[in-house]
Amino acid sequence: AQSVTQLGSHVSVSEGALVLLRCNYSSSVPPYLFWYVQYPNQGLQLLLKYTTGATLVKGINGFEAEFKKSETSFHLTKPSAHMSDAAEYFCAVSQMDSSYKLIFGSGTRLLVRP
Amino acid sequence: DSGVTQTPKHLITATGQRVTLRCSPRSGDLSVYWYQQSLDQGLQFLIQYYNGEERAKGNILERFSAQQFPDLHSELNLSSLELGDSALYFCASSPLDGNYGYTFGSGTRLTVV
Repeated sequence: AQSVTQLGSHVSVSEGALVLLRCNYSSSVPPYLFWYVQYPNQGLQLLLKYTTGATLVKGINGFEAEFKKSETSFHLTKPSAHMSDAAEYFCAVSQMDSSYKLIFGSGTRLLVRP
Repeated sequence: DSGVTQTPKHLITATGQRVTLRCSPRSGDLSVYWYQQSLDQGLQFLIQYYNGEERAKGNILERFSAQQFPDLHSELNLSSLELGDSALYFCASSPLDGNYGYTFGSGTRLTVV
């Protein structure tokens, strides 16, 4: 079965600083990986996804993630944090069975300091 | 607006009661997924329907049930409610399967008192 682990339940950065949110996955087959963002009192919004092909994936709002098979990682980065990036971020992996349901990590809350 | 509509947005009910949460998927999407989000359990997959048929079950209690109708909207029924059922319930939809990601609704916040 597939699973993901997000390291750090809270990450705090200064406005303008690099954002790095960590995600490691476990999968016996080539995974499909996702990052979602959840703003307060809202649903989850897809930031980016990796299925096949290029390992560096660009998403919305300036975020990107790199699939590293050797490290079983899919970390999310953004060069310069903005106050509006404050939210909860979830990494997910697709369950490779007939459902292809997404298995989510426990989430990382990003705090952006002025 | 994501295109996935969930109603109601908020629901407050007493223990022992039964409620129905409704989800209209994005136009053209055949798959509907239900998730429960709570502080202690995180995002837990409950159940998936594809074109009217149940495809996968997750950590869904026997007190809970769901169905997807011919017009593809889905309902999640929660009965004999307990305080611990208080959570955010999300519906998500995808065209076929979740391999390319879901589109989430804004959720229903259920409070059991």
